[in-house]
Amino acid sequence: AQKITQTQPGMFVQEKEAVTLDCTYDTSDPSYGLFWYKQPSSGEMIFLIYQGSYDQQNATEGRYSLNFQKARKSANLVISASQLGDSAMYFCAMRGFQSLTGRRALTFGSGTRLQVQP
Amino acid sequence: EAQVTQNPRYLITVTGKKLTVTCSQNMNHEYMSWYRQDPGLGLRQIYYSMNVEVTDKGDVPEGYKVSRKEKRNFPLILESPSPNQTSLYFCASRIGTPNTEAFFGQGTRLTVV
Repeated sequence: AQKITQTQPGMFVQEKEAVTLDCTYDTSDPSYGLFWYKQPSSGEMIFLIYQGSYDQQNATEGRYSLNFQKARKSANLVISASQLGDSAMYFCAMRGFQSLTGRRALTFGSGTRLQVQP
Repeated sequence: EAQVTQNPRYLITVTGKKLTVTCSQNMNHEYMSWYRQDPGLGLRQIYYSMNVEVTDKGDVPEGYKVSRKEKRNFPLILESPSPNQTSLYFCASRIGTPNTEAFFGQGTRLTVV
């Protein structure tokens, strides 16, 4: 069954430091996509970064990078030079084929709340 | 501006009173879906639509209905809301290609008393 696990309910980081948010996944689909979304206190969901299962290079978008370790089935988000505005909930998600339902679907982890301290 | 618009943003209602949450996107996306977000559970898909007049159940469809009469609109209908449907609801859309990011609406916080 398709599953996303985020084991860190909450994280603290000092401003300007880097932080890694963990995400592991489980799927039998060889073709899948991994996504990270940010949810600030205002509630909206903001897309951050995408990694395809066949991508050779780790994805990067500005201060965000995805540490993709396929053999370990992990897709950790790295935020460099944290800013106060990075304080938010972060969700890891995977789109892949669900054998149970017979369809491709986006499955979300339970999220990690990041607090950046001045 | 490309966006997904949900209305209302906040709603308090009573058990059993039918309600509709509207969702509209201006990006000509084929694929639209509804999610609910509950603490500790992340987002779970309620219903999705791959195009006009094509809808299907997601992971938690019980108690919900949807329709897709036009490409841009995908309303979520609660015929007889119950307190366990108190949640934060998100509408999302994307193009038809599977591994592309979904664009989310601002969310609708629903309380059923």
